[in-house]
Amino acid sequence: DTGVSQDPRHKITKRGQNVTFRCDPISEHNRLYWYRQTLGQGPEFLTYFQNEAQLEKSRLLSDRFSAERPKGSFSTLEIQRTEQGDSAMYLCASSYPSGTSVYEQYFGPGTRLTVT
Amino acid sequence: AQSVTQLGSHVSVSEGALVLLRCNYSSSVPPYLFWYVQYPNQGLQLLLKYTTGATLVKGINGFEAEFKKSETSFHLTKPSAHMSDAAEYFCAVSAPAYSGAGSYQLTFGKGTKLSVIP
Repeated sequence: DTGVSQDPRHKITKRGQNVTFRCDPISEHNRLYWYRQTLGQGPEFLTYFQNEAQLEKSRLLSDRFSAERPKGSFSTLEIQRTEQGDSAMYLCASSYPSGTSVYEQYFGPGTRLTVT
Repeated sequence: AQSVTQLGSHVSVSEGALVLLRCNYSSSVPPYLFWYVQYPNQGLQLLLKYTTGATLVKGINGFEAEFKKSETSFHLTKPSAHMSDAAEYFCAVSAPAYSGAGSYQLTFGKGTKLSVIP
């Protein structure tokens, strides 16, 4: 069990540029979640996949945000035309397929985005 | 809709003293409750969870929490603080899938930063 990994760990970009983050979940987990955490706040839910299907999206996920999980394994989160308000830690989590363990989310180390 | 309130954004305790971090929740359905810990520049690690059954749940690193439905609380405790406990702690709530009230997403509180004084 190698844990959830995220790449890159840090990203600095200029306003207006596009950025893409990657998340690799724990191999036997079929559910994958994206959260955003700003300074002084708890993580806020963005979106969730079961296998390759994106089942839920938060209202926080504006049209500039898109997430994919094409083969039900890794996932990408893209932000187009970044704004300074997008600066945050983006966290990925995954969970087991069934039972009450489905509610236990294992988090990656996060990608810290700074928009200048 | 669900929400979590963590009382006290910052708590300081002496090494060896009792740790008590407060969490109150609001949920229209029986909740599933969680505590996570976050060390600087790291992701979140699950400390413990309550889903069903015994209301006193034990977690890793000597932490435990008690689900009190009448008080809508899920406070986190540890009898004796250690320097390595210094971190930020988040309480979270989820709605069981059978309730039809939502997905598997977690709703987090704003966190409590724990400092341990030597």
